Amino acid sequence: NAGVTQTPKFRILKIGQSMTLQCAQDMNHNYMYWYRQDPGMGLKLIYYSVGAGITDKGEVPNGYNVSRSTTEDFPLRLELAAPSQTSVYFCASKEDGTNQPQHFGDGTRLSIL
Amino acid sequence: KQEVTQIPAALSVPEGENLVLNCSFTDSAIYNLQWFRQDPGKGLTSLLLIQSSQREQTSGRLNASLDKSSGRSTLYIAASQPGDSATYLCAVYLYNQGGKLIFGQGTELSVKP
Repeated sequence: NAGVTQTPKFRILKIGQSMTLQCAQDMNHNYMYWYRQDPGMGLKLIYYSVGAGITDKGEVPNGYNVSRSTTEDFPLRLELAAPSQTSVYFCASKEDGTNQPQHFGDGTRLSIL
Repeated sequence: KQEVTQIPAALSVPEGENLVLNCSFTDSAIYNLQWFRQDPGKGLTSLLLIQSSQREQTSGRLNASLDKSSGRSTLYIAASQPGDSATYLCAVYLYNQGGKLIFGQGTELSVKP
């Protein structure tokens, strides 16, 4: 049971570099989400998608981009990495329906130096 | 704007104690409230989901209550065990916003043998 798979698990970037965080789910969920978690804080929503081809901004979208070309994949792109983007990034998915729980990946720990 | 607050931020108890974690939210227009567990270096695991029409949900030694009118939820853990040590987060699911969750900052629980 793979569930939600995130790669890589860890990454160090230099300021100004770009990278893509990968997220894949094998549960055929339409809803997918990207969150960031800073130390001692809850999760903040970056972007979300309610189906292939549909994405929307969350609370903290600046500095990030997403795409959703398939149901399975929801990559998060960082352009021009900044120290403020040092965080742990979580991807989640859920089934249609208002009372379905979100399923989370194990996260990507990203440091910008 | 919906805000979710969890008190206390950290809690340490001896094994066997019953304990209560608190969560409050500012806007009662929610579909549901969810409690998650997060182990160090891991993603979130859904524990309980309480629909807006429900008052409580139970799973094993866990019981979560919801009082929408006062904007409060509690997570009760009976007969705590060292394996319960983790961070517990609550989150509210907002109406008509693509299944977005707004998270509290979490309560870090340590159960001492």
